Amino acid sequence: QKEVEQNSGPLSVPEGAIASLNCTYSDRGSQSFFWYRQYSGKSPELIMSIYSNGDKEDGRFTAQLNKASQYVSLLIRDSQPSDSATYLCAPFNTGNQFYFGTGTSLTVIP
Amino acid sequence: ETGVTQSPTHLIKTRGQQVTLRCSSQSGHNTVSWYQQALGQGPQFIFQYYREEENGRGNFPPRFSGLQFPNYSSELNVNALELDDSALYLCASSVGVGQPQHFGDGTRLSIL
Repeated sequence: QKEVEQNSGPLSVPEGAIASLNCTYSDRGSQSFFWYRQYSGKSPELIMSIYSNGDKEDGRFTAQLNKASQYVSLLIRDSQPSDSATYLCAPFNTGNQFYFGTGTSLTVIP
Repeated sequence: ETGVTQSPTHLIKTRGQQVTLRCSSQSGHNTVSWYQQALGQGPQFIFQYYREEENGRGNFPPRFSGLQFPNYSSELNVNALELDDSALYLCASSVGVGQPQHFGDGTRLSIL
């Protein structure tokens, strides 16, 4: 079982739609969770962090965490072409490690 | 505020050689992590340094080693380079262990 699994892509949504990105993790002791965006040829850029069960909103982005289900998601509202990138889920586990998923590639179609 | 900077940007080596990659952490950050990212994959955790001590290590062989200096800058050393070591090497710093990390632009290492 992989440490972190993300929904397989590529994911395509029309401009203005909601993009939903999902992630499950195996280390039940993980307490901190991060979403990064990575444009092609660039390094990852932090979008959101979430530490408690429930929703956390920041502008057009909403992170959702359910520790009992070992599940974290990212919703992007009013998707824009500039949101087209690979989105990486990264829990921080009990071994002092960030485990990154393979990422989900998102394309927003104008 | 200066962000995370890495050097060099690109590097070409041959099998069996040794390489040192460098990273300057963001101002106020005392924790540095190194990652290897192969094409089409997510970053793979190599190790983490907190206040000059290694405090976490991923599934990488001992020929991957590192240092963190008193100013919290860091080095990644790789000995006996193999073809599979060709990848983007990313450095990330944070204000503490488990805190949000900020990445440098990476070093692209190619092994011939």
